[in-house]
Amino acid sequence: DTGVSQNPRHKITKRGQNVTFRCDPISEHNRLYWYRQTLGQGPEFLTYFQNEAQLEKSRLLSDRFSAERPKGSFSTLEIQRTEQGDSAMYLCASSLGQGALGYTFGSGTRLTVV
Amino acid sequence: AQSVSQHNHHVILSEAASLELGCNYSYGGTVNLFWYVQYPGQHLQLLLKYFSGDPLVKGIKGFEAEFIKSKFSFNLRKPSVQWSDTAEYFCAVNPTNFGNEKLTFGTGTRLTIIP
Repeated sequence: DTGVSQNPRHKITKRGQNVTFRCDPISEHNRLYWYRQTLGQGPEFLTYFQNEAQLEKSRLLSDRFSAERPKGSFSTLEIQRTEQGDSAMYLCASSLGQGALGYTFGSGTRLTVV
Repeated sequence: AQSVSQHNHHVILSEAASLELGCNYSYGGTVNLFWYVQYPGQHLQLLLKYFSGDPLVKGIKGFEAEFIKSKFSFNLRKPSVQWSDTAEYFCAVNPTNFGNEKLTFGTGTRLTIIP
């Protein structure tokens, strides 16, 4: 499968714990995006990378959230001290060139904070 | 900041019926417009996109959308739906200013097709 891969598919964690998600983009794609989708809403932009540089972060990305793309390939999204409001589907997308015209989304990681 | 409104939250149709899903956006400048589809258990997929030229764009699986600039609308249409079109449909907008790479999505419309 040469699509965007996200792991794990599901994560259940207790409030206050830290969690980390991984995204492996399509190999030749230089841009990588994180979105969050809550029930009944469309995806909301969190952050994006061009190669290893994080170029934009949404105000939704509080200081408990951090994203990295250390070698310009895979990316990780970490949430520290999780809260129930963090429960959502976390989506990753990648693109080559002008991003908005060519996103490929992964299947997402569903986080449940109990 | 831009926003997207999708007026229909849940649409139920019989097979062979015609479909129109509404999408309006608010943004003062030029935009790229998209419709994405999410079939049950699958990832978001691009259905069609508009960024310039002919305001009537055709996408996959017989879908089309018309950009009406004066109405800030980008409605999705299909003349005859099939059971396999059951999915959630998201409209999205991306301002064309340089370096703006993010999409702003609407809340989605769930489409249920009854055989």
